[in-house]
Amino acid sequence: EVQLVESGGGLVQPGGSLRLSCVASGFSVKTTYMTWVRQAPGKGLEWVSIIHNNGNTYYADSVRGRFTTSKDKSKNTVYFQMNSVRPEDTGVYYCAKELSGRFDCWGQGTLVIVSS
Amino acid sequence: EIVLTQSPGTLSLSPGERATLSCRASQSVSSSYLAWYQQKPGQPPRLLIYGASTRAAGIPDRFSGSGSGTDFTLTISRLEPEDFAVYYCQQYDSLPSYSFGQGTKLEIK
Repeated sequence: EVQLVESGGGLVQPGGSLRLSCVASGFSVKTTYMTWVRQAPGKGLEWVSIIHNNGNTYYADSVRGRFTTSKDKSKNTVYFQMNSVRPEDTGVYYCAKELSGRFDCWGQGTLVIVSS
Repeated sequence: EIVLTQSPGTLSLSPGERATLSCRASQSVSSSYLAWYQQKPGQPPRLLIYGASTRAAGIPDRFSGSGSGTDFTLTISRLEPEDFAVYYCQQYDSLPSYSFGQGTKLEIK
């Protein structure tokens, strides 16, 4: 069964850092595009990052230069390093498996709250 | 960046009725890269339709997608109680970049 489980969310102060993890099972992140999508409270979905199977990464303008996506093939895990966080980064962060432009499997999400 | 605009913002219908949701793009989108998702409270989105008209695995045939270019539609032929949720369209372009519409809330009338 294909499954994604995120962790690492929590309360962080503005300007602080947090690292999210997404453990995959049922497939290999080595050969799959993996993405992060976030959702502010009561709002819609916002794509924020993708990592290709060759390790190339791409980001939305809203997070570029602050957030970094990486993966550990040995742990079948994708990471999302969040630095210099802002209150507007508050929300649920989902990792998802990307296939030909669509997101066909999603984790349950992890909540990040940026507040002093 | 391609902007997707969904309408209406909220749709109030009764079980058994037909629902028609619209997604309009600010510039032409390849039909291969237009998808629809359903999201219920407290749950992640679920892929319904991809390639503008292909149902994802396990999706009932009352859900159908159509459209091309800048205008796409999700139709639910006969609403079941479990269909009341928020629906998002999503596109991919080759930058790579992805974007979602703002969502349509389908509520029980």
